[in-house]
Amino acid sequence: QSVLTQPPSVSGAPGQRVTISCTGSSSNIGAGYDVHWYQQLPGTAPELLIYGNSDRPSGVPDRFSGSKSGTSASLAITGLQAEDEADYYCQSYDSSLSGWVFGGGTKLTVL
Amino acid sequence: EVQLVESGGGLVQPGGSLRLSCAASGFTFSSYAMSWVRQAPGKGLEWVSVISGSGSSTYYADSVKGRFTISRDNFKNTLYLQMNSLRAEDTAVYYCAKTASRGAATWGYYFDYWGQGTLVTVSS
Repeated sequence: QSVLTQPPSVSGAPGQRVTISCTGSSSNIGAGYDVHWYQQLPGTAPELLIYGNSDRPSGVPDRFSGSKSGTSASLAITGLQAEDEADYYCQSYDSSLSGWVFGGGTKLTVL
Repeated sequence: EVQLVESGGGLVQPGGSLRLSCAASGFTFSSYAMSWVRQAPGKGLEWVSVISGSGSSTYYADSVKGRFTISRDNFKNTLYLQMNSLRAEDTAVYYCAKTASRGAATWGYYFDYWGQGTLVTVSS
């Protein structure tokens, strides 16, 4: 049971927009701690996608965007492409656990 | 170019020990915190441990506290994870990750570069 809750799977057709939610609590996202997002392509190591709730590292397309409100955060992907098919993880800090926590991950399928 | 190369994984019996290494290059190693993150087969990511740039501060997940020890050698640009009293549930790919933060606060840590991972299998 992950501290941060993500939907196990989402899907969308090429060109569409999808969102992935990350729901936390008052000891993590709701406490104001930043949320970060990672993309893990099949068989590879995770890569940083979004940091500090909404900032993109250089090289990440602006089709990817992040937001945070209250105890939740969201990752939005517009103009869906076949190469976006991957697992996506959110990450934050939890004061109750005194440690860094990940969501359970969401598998994105491009139809 | 940032490069992180893990080594030291393998098959170990329950109760045994293993030491993982992560050779870093392409950045000023001593200026950054470093972390270990693991992923059990077919499962999600789990943060394991983080060490400050100087090595003076370390933090552990409850699941490994008292059994694992993180350390670093800033002269060799190498990160380590000493794993003792290993259990079947420690079986995972272990990734080392360069750790950044937007500010000075450790709560803002995120993992901006990852190695390719090394597989640890705990089984008799």
